[in-house]
Amino acid sequence: DGGITQSPKYLFRKEGQNVTLSCEQNLNHDAMYWYRQDPGQGLRLIYYSQIVNDFQKGDIAEGYSVSREKKESFPLTVTSAQKNPTAFYLCASSLSGTDQETQYFGPGTRLLVL
Amino acid sequence: GQQLNQSPQSMFIQEGEDVSMNCTSSSIFNTWLWYKQEPGEGPVLLIALYKAGELTSNGRLTAQFGITRKDSFLNISASIPSDVGIYFCAGGSNYKLTFGKGTLLTVNP
Repeated sequence: DGGITQSPKYLFRKEGQNVTLSCEQNLNHDAMYWYRQDPGQGLRLIYYSQIVNDFQKGDIAEGYSVSREKKESFPLTVTSAQKNPTAFYLCASSLSGTDQETQYFGPGTRLLVL
Repeated sequence: GQQLNQSPQSMFIQEGEDVSMNCTSSSIFNTWLWYKQEPGEGPVLLIALYKAGELTSNGRLTAQFGITRKDSFLNISASIPSDVGIYFCAGGSNYKLTFGKGTLLTVNP
């Protein structure tokens, strides 16, 4: 079955700790994205990658980092510099070019701060 | 930055009723997408629209890409209890999406 997987489903972070959220896709999509969702808000773009070994900052990149070493994988690290990390994090992917705006989402990871 | 105004914010309807929601913007978009999200899950793509004026159906769902490219609507006919969820619109331009804040739909059996 083709799709996007995110793990873990729930993640707890202690103060001063970096945590990494996993996102894997087997759709052969070129582009991958990370969004943050807060209650009552639209999705906000953190980082995106259009091709392996390249990525760009989105609207709220401060306190986050990413890597794109493989086409299938786009992990997101929430660093200790992110002061308000509690949120629902969504990974998405799409084809490239004119189809890049048709994005498909994974099931999400909920991050909570202890 | 670009912003989308999605309305209504929430709807409470009886099973069998038709539903309509819309998104408007001051910006032009190349693509309009409609997603449904259930609690604790990721958004699921319902309908994608690519041309101004386009009207597309997916079962009981119908969506249109506004002729000005600044708006879109989603209609759900003959609602059923499993239609419950949050519906998001998204406008696409420059390979990125801008999202509305969602319409919370509750269906009373």
